[in-house]
Amino acid sequence: GESVGLHLPTLSVQEGDNSIINCAYSNSASDYFIWYKQESGKGPQFIIDIRSNMDKRQGQRVTVLLNKTVKHLSLQIAATQPGDSAVYFCAEKGNYGGSQGNLIFGKGTKLSVKP
Amino acid sequence: EPEVTQTPSHQVTQMGQEVILRCVPISNHLYFYWYRQILGQKVEFLVSFYNNEISEKSEIFDDQFSVERPDGSNFTLKIRSTKLEDSAMYFCASSENRAGEQYFGPGTRLTVT
Repeated sequence: GESVGLHLPTLSVQEGDNSIINCAYSNSASDYFIWYKQESGKGPQFIIDIRSNMDKRQGQRVTVLLNKTVKHLSLQIAATQPGDSAVYFCAEKGNYGGSQGNLIFGKGTKLSVKP
Repeated sequence: EPEVTQTPSHQVTQMGQEVILRCVPISNHLYFYWYRQILGQKVEFLVSFYNNEISEKSEIFDDQFSVERPDGSNFTLKIRSTKLEDSAMYFCASSENRAGEQYFGPGTRLTVT
């Protein structure tokens, strides 16, 4: 039978192309969203964040888009490089129900960049 | 650049044994967290800690788990009687304030045999 969680969605792109990684979040009360990059054997590394009062935020080579209507978050990486190869997680944080701000992570997408 | 550090990087223990995982958060941070990641799965929240007490814990964080800030720099996670299913990467994180960015350490790989 299938083992849930052991098979990450994979995105394979050519070096220099743009990458788009998507994420659906769970709680409409979440007001803060973050994208993390995790390289093999390392901890999650912050890439970019966005608050719920925004729908777009740009960083260096990265853009995050937030669609609150459909609870969807995307990460766009411009001119993808081999060093971008990693697993990318979206995370949400809500200021609700007495929550002290712990992060709720999505399942992750593995980005593979072909030279 | 300041960073969160964790020791050991890999801990192997037998089922039923106690383990203590250690973390040194970033020095001016006030909020501390433990997360775990079972191989190939998503990162899961365990516990948050502020002002020397637990702020929030998940259903994973049962009576077998405890956290402590024994001094001004260390933050520890103790598992009293390890089970096979405790095998995972354990990440410590810290943030300056509740709303701030959480910085993660490199993790401790716990293997329970």
